[in-house]
Amino acid sequence: QKEVEQNSGPLSVPEGAIASLNCTYSDRGSQSFFWYRQYSGKSPELIMFIYSNGDKEDGRFTAQLNKASQYVSLLIRDSQPSDSATYLCAVKVRNYGQNFVFGPGTRLSVLP
Amino acid sequence: IAGITQAPTSQILAAGRRMTLRCTQDMRHNAMYWYRQDLGLGLRLIHYSNTAGTTGKGEVPDGYSVSRANTDDFPLTLASAVPSQTSVYFCASSVTSGTYNEQFFGPGTRLTVL
Repeated sequence: QKEVEQNSGPLSVPEGAIASLNCTYSDRGSQSFFWYRQYSGKSPELIMFIYSNGDKEDGRFTAQLNKASQYVSLLIRDSQPSDSATYLCAVKVRNYGQNFVFGPGTRLSVLP
Repeated sequence: IAGITQAPTSQILAAGRRMTLRCTQDMRHNAMYWYRQDLGLGLRLIHYSNTAGTTGKGEVPDGYSVSRANTDDFPLTLASAVPSQTSVYFCASSVTSGTYNEQFFGPGTRLTVL
């Protein structure tokens, strides 16, 4: 079973706040986890990846992975209106080669 | 060419017609993928290819076929289009070595089947 779940949103946060996006996955043997951002009418672009338990920070973005609980999250600090987009969680699952399983995405709206 | 290109950008197609969506990458990536994206369902893998000359079925392969004659090109063919194939189609590519293998996406093709 290769399921990746996300709240579809929309998630609305005020400018300057922290946005928290969550993703759960069903395959306990999953190896790598990716967060993509997709603006309306555009293609997905990678913003973060993580494969070890704990936190990984890159600028205003922090990815958090908890393999025991099978969830991965993305925190966006000091949210800006330009962060308004759909955020896709992608998981490289066991026994699926190089392929990813994508979640349905969470739509984030940052209000000025 | 820089990255991945897809053609056409958009297409309206009558049901029953044959259609080929084109995808070309210049990054020399071994692996290439075709996804469809529908509202509320996210990206679903149609077919993939880990190297030239090989292809595999993804989550939703029915009604689609692919070929991989060389490293750069990965066309997707709808032999006889049906309205349920109305979607946005994305081609992607990646390296195949290591744990971290980011997939890079093309700009997409918006297909409407009437």
